[in-house]
Amino acid sequence: QVQLQQWGAGLLKPSETLSLTCAVYVGSFSGYYWSWIRQTPGKGLEWIGEITDSGNINYNPSLKSRVTISVDTSKNQFSLRLRSMTAADTAVYYCARPLRNYQGSAFDIWGQGTMVTVSS
Amino acid sequence: EVVLTQSPGTLSLSPGERATLSCRASQSASGSYLAWYQQKPGQAPRLLIYGASSRATGIPHRFSGSGSGTDFTLTISRLEPEDFAVYYCQQYGSSPYTFGQGTKLEIK
Repeated sequence: QVQLQQWGAGLLKPSETLSLTCAVYVGSFSGYYWSWIRQTPGKGLEWIGEITDSGNINYNPSLKSRVTISVDTSKNQFSLRLRSMTAADTAVYYCARPLRNYQGSAFDIWGQGTMVTVSS
Repeated sequence: EVVLTQSPGTLSLSPGERATLSCRASQSASGSYLAWYQQKPGQAPRLLIYGASSRATGIPHRFSGSGSGTDFTLTISRLEPEDFAVYYCQQYGSSPYTFGQGTKLEIK
């Protein structure tokens, strides 16, 4: 059974950079478009972006100027960096795996979520 | 970007009743690439339906999805106590993938 385990700092000050990592345990890492998704009380669920093991990347245009998603295939991990954080970025951040190993698929495996708060 | 509008915002029903949740897309959801998720407090969303009408692994038969183009429906035939939660639709046919704002299904 594929499991996603995510970690990273949960409290940031305005203008700081969010850094989260998601590790994939059991199952294949290659071929999937691994995603980051966040959930805020105001905007609900928002897809941030996706990456494959070969480095194909696709970002949400609304966040593209501030986000970097990267992959470490040696560790079966992928990471999120979001720069210039503000209070509006306060959210629960999830990593997720799609059901199918191609672009454009529903998400059937989710990480446990990381609550990230931006406050001075 | 495809905007998904869910209705109603809140649905109050009793166990044993039938629930019908709606999701309308601002433009045709390419290839019926529409999913439904259930979310309970403190948990990640759980995939129920993909491809508009296919149940995910382990999802009870009382959950069914239908629709195409811009109008989609999630039906729960007979509500069980554990079904009271928030439900989201999501389109994954065009990037950026987007979610509806959710329908809260509460006990009447």
